[in-house]
Order: sequence, then structure tokens, then C-alpha cells
Amino acid sequence: AQSVTQLDSQVPVFEEAPVELRCNYSSSVSVYLFWYVQYPNQGLQLLLKYLSGSTLVESINGFEAEFNKSQTSFHLRKPSVHISDTAEYFCAVSLMDSNYQLIWGAGTKLIIKP
Amino acid sequence: ETGVTQSPTHLIKTRGQQVTLRCSSQSGHNTVSWYQQALGQGPQFIFQYYREEENGRGNFPPRFSGLQFPNYSSELNVNALELDDSALYLCASSSPETANEQYFGPGTRLTVT
Repeated sequence: AQSVTQLDSQVPVFEEAPVELRCNYSSSVSVYLFWYVQYPNQGLQLLLKYLSGSTLVESINGFEAEFNKSQTSFHLRKPSVHISDTAEYFCAVSLMDSNYQLIWGAGTKLIIKP
Repeated sequence: ETGVTQSPTHLIKTRGQQVTLRCSSQSGHNTVSWYQQALGQGPQFIFQYYREEENGRGNFPPRFSGLQFPNYSSELNVNALELDDSALYLCASSSPETANEQYFGPGTRLTVT
């Protein structure tokens, strides 16, 4: 069975400091990897995805994530966070040989301290 | 281009009742997936519809059922509501070209009392 583990339920960080949100997955088949963001009282928005090719993927708002196959990880990083980054971040995988259903982690709340 | 919309935004039902939630997919998308997100948890896959047929189902009982219409909009029906059904229900649509990228609606918050 496939699973996604987000190791931290909350990550508090000062504004303009760097942050890393951790994600590990378990799967016996190849997967696509995603990070979604959920702002308070809103739906989920795709932040970035890894499908193939370069293992480092970037979003338009300064986040990046690196696929590490040997460690089965897809950690999300940002070198300098802003108050507007306050949200919950979800890591998800979809199976390449399936109907692309998403399997989700429990989420990490990013708390930005002024 | 219209995004994914869901209705209603909020709903309060009593245990044992039935509920229908609706989702309109993004233009050009023929696949709709439904997820349940309980408070403080990640979403859980309920089922997916592709061209009006169920195309995969998660670990949810038969009282959770769905439908997709020729215009690719979709309904999620839940019978015999239980207190644990209280959650945010999310609909996501995708296109044949980008089947691995799902676009989410804002969700329907269901409270069962």
C-alpha cells in the first residue's frame, strides 16, 4: 500500500527565515509527487509537482522541492518566508499506473512569526 | 475559463439524513474526483468519475455514491449520515492531457449533528 508521511504537523518560523517542510512517501510503484497549499478557509491549490526530468522543481512564488528517490522524499523549501506564506501545506502522490488518485499526507501548518 | 465550483458552501444535516453535493468541473475537464477532508487531516480519496463511469474508489462504504453527467459535472450523495461524515468535501477535475494534475474547488463544509 502507498502512504505519505509529513513529519511535522506545525512548523513555526520567523519572517524572512528559511523553511523546510518534510515529506516522505512509500510506494511499490512509480509515483508523481505534488505539493498543494491550503490558505485559511480556502480550497487546495497546486504549488508544484514532479513528474519526470530534473529532480528539483520550483514554484512561481519562491518555493522549491527536490525529489530524492533513494530516500523516497520530496521536501519543500523556501529560502525566505513571508507572512503571506501562512497556510497548510499538503504533500501528495499519485500512482503512475492508476487513475491518478491522490494519496495525501496529513499536512503541515506553516506559522510565520513576525 | 471557469474554475471548479461546488455547491453549497456550507450544509448542516441531522444524523440519518441524506445529502447531495454538487460540483462543476473546469472547462475541458472530463474527470472528476471527490475527496473527504476531516478536520486536521489530509484529504481521503472517495471516488473518481471519468466520462460518466466510476473509475476507482477509495475505502468508503456504499452509502457514499456518485454520479457524473454528460456535461461532466458531478454529484456526491451520502445516505444515512453519521456524525463522522462531518468534513470538508472537495471536488477536483482534470483533463485527459494532464490527468496527473487536479484542480480543486473550494469545497463544501458538511456538519452532521
